[in-house]
Amino acid sequence: DAGVTQSPTHLIKTRGQQVTLRCSPKSGHDTVSWYQQALGQGPQFIFQYYEEEERQRGNFPDRFSGHQFPNYSSELNVNALLLGDSALYLCASSLGGAGHISIQYFGAGTRLSVL
Amino acid sequence: SQQGEEDPQALSIQEGENATMNCSYKTSINNLQWYRQNSGRGLVHLILIRSNEREKHSGRLRVTLDTSKKSSSLLITASRAADTASYFCAVNRDDKIIFGKGTRLHILP
Repeated sequence: DAGVTQSPTHLIKTRGQQVTLRCSPKSGHDTVSWYQQALGQGPQFIFQYYEEEERQRGNFPDRFSGHQFPNYSSELNVNALLLGDSALYLCASSLGGAGHISIQYFGAGTRLSVL
Repeated sequence: SQQGEEDPQALSIQEGENATMNCSYKTSINNLQWYRQNSGRGLVHLILIRSNEREKHSGRLRVTLDTSKKSSSLLITASRAADTASYFCAVNRDDKIIFGKGTRLHILP
């Protein structure tokens, strides 16, 4: 049973560029959440996708957008990259239906460096 | 802003000792969870405690929750070298999970 997988594992971009990160959820999970984790900090919630729609969003600008596909996999897109976007981006999957408690299963993350 | 705040920020103890980490939060919650993260990798769920529970155990882990004080504690008994990691509390409110900044635990041989 595959867990949460993220690709790529590392990425180097320059300021102003755009990036797409990918996530496949744990088998049987239908909800994907994305987090940004700066060095020495806790994960910051970016947004959550359920049934192909953004269900919740944290305090991130519109440069951060996402998508969820019918197979529940998800992409995180960041436009007009800034130096401050350098971080570990974590994807977590869970069961999102009514009545489920959101225990998150995390991937290993994508480390993004913006130069 | 982050909802949960862990205390202490860093903790070093001898192998075999107990480690206690605390978490405080600001608003009402549905449940509170603790996660572990090894060396900047993905987080691993440890334990979940519901808002109507006061204490929960899982192996060497013991979690308490005091909703009147808006605080929780994680106790790891008989620590091992493999327990060296960062520990985060995460509060679940309205299906949004908000993490604290974490406690970095270092187990000394």
